[in-house]
Amino acid sequence: AQSVTQLGSHVSVSEGALVLLRCNYSSSVPPYLFWYVQYPNQGLQLLLKYTSAATLVKGINGFEAEFKKSETSFHLTKPSAHMSDAAEYFCAVNSGGYNKLIFGAGTRLAVHP
Amino acid sequence: SAVISQKPSRDICQRGTSLTIQCQVDSQVTMMFWYRQQPGQSLTLIATANQGSEATYESGFVIDKFPISRPNLTFSTLTVSNMSPEDSSIYLCSVKDSTDTQYFGPGTRLTVL
Repeated sequence: AQSVTQLGSHVSVSEGALVLLRCNYSSSVPPYLFWYVQYPNQGLQLLLKYTSAATLVKGINGFEAEFKKSETSFHLTKPSAHMSDAAEYFCAVNSGGYNKLIFGAGTRLAVHP
Repeated sequence: SAVISQKPSRDICQRGTSLTIQCQVDSQVTMMFWYRQQPGQSLTLIATANQGSEATYESGFVIDKFPISRPNLTFSTLTVSNMSPEDSSIYLCSVKDSTDTQYFGPGTRLTVL
C-alpha cells in the first residue's frame, strides 16, 4: 500500500531563508512522486515531479526536490523564500501505472518579513 | 499541460438539494478524476470518471450520493446529491496525461447550510 507522510503541518520561515518541506513515502513498487502547491482559494498547481529519471528534480518558482530511495524521502527545498511562496504544499505518490494519487496531509508555509 | 475549467467556482446550497459540478478540458484525455478536499484537509479521490462506462468509486463513496457522467473525452460532471453540511468541501477534477502526471482544475467551493 502506498502512503505519504509530511512532517510539519506548519512551517514558518523568514523572507530570504531556506525553505525545507519534508515528505516521506511508502510504496511497494518504484514510485512516481509529486509536489503540488495550493494558493489561497485556488486549485492545485504542479510544482515538480519525479518519475524515475534524475533523482534531483527542478521545478517551477525555484523549487527543487531530491529523491532518496534509501531514506524513502522526497523533500522540497528552495534556497531563498519569497513572500509569494506562502501557500499550502502537498506531496503525493502514485506508483507507476496506478491511477490513484495518494496525498500527504499538507504543509502550510508562512513567510514573514 | 491541459487547461481545465470548472463550473461553478463556488456555491452555497441548502441541505437536501443537489448540485452538479462541471469539468471541461481543452484537449481529449483518457483519464479524469474527481477529488474532495474537506476544510483544512488534504485531497481524497472520490472516483475515476470513465468515458462510455460507469465511474469507478473509491471506498467510502457511492454512486447514489456522487453520480458522475463522462459523455466524451473532454467533459465530466459530478453531482453531490441530497446534500448535508458535511458535504461542504472543495471539489476538484483532474486529468492524467501520458506521463502519469495529474493536473487539477481550479476547484468548486461548496458550502451547504
